[in-house]
Amino acid sequence: EDKVVQSPLSLVVHEGDTVTLNCSYEVTNFRSLLWYKQEKKAPTFLFMLTSSGIEKKSGRLSSILDKKELSSILNITATQTGDSAIYLCAVEAQTGANNLFFGTGTRLTVIP
Amino acid sequence: DAMVIQNPRYQVTQFGKPVTLSCSQTLNHNVMYWYQQKSSQAPKLLFHYYDKDFNNEADTPDNFQSRRPNTSFCFLDIRSPGLGDAAMYLCATSKAGGSQPQHFGDGTRLSIL
Repeated sequence: EDKVVQSPLSLVVHEGDTVTLNCSYEVTNFRSLLWYKQEKKAPTFLFMLTSSGIEKKSGRLSSILDKKELSSILNITATQTGDSAIYLCAVEAQTGANNLFFGTGTRLTVIP
Repeated sequence: DAMVIQNPRYQVTQFGKPVTLSCSQTLNHNVMYWYQQKSSQAPKLLFHYYDKDFNNEADTPDNFQSRRPNTSFCFLDIRSPGLGDAAMYLCATSKAGGSQPQHFGDGTRLSIL
């Protein structure tokens, strides 16, 4: 059965800290891995990763995929209170449509 | 500038009373999805439309149906809501083809009395 596992489930840090969120997957016919940020409403797209070892970066956020280890990490440097959210990892399988298997997320809380 | 719009944001209905949630998009994407997300759980795909082709997930209850009258609109109908159907319902869209990110609406939070 396809599954996506995220760790830790929750994390509390102080502003300015650096955090690393983990995602591991077992998905048949992997196509891509996506990271989303979910605050109180819709998940907001952050990154899509298809190739191993190539870091994607957006401001203080970066992510990398390791296809050999079937995993990905999301790094956030110099965290701010606005980074508090649930970070969802999703994996796309190679089916007819872009079906995503989501992990249950990591809840990040950044304390001032 | 919202591109995937869900209405209403909050919906309250009675046990067993049919309810319809709506989603519209301005992205002209081929694919539209409906997810159910319960508290502290991952979004769970219910079904999706690839253009007019409807694709139901195997474990989606028969109580849940969908309509897509045109490219821009998609509806989720819950025929006889039970207490267990209380959840956030998320609509998403994507372009066709592989490796296309899904773009989500803000969701409709459904409560059942």
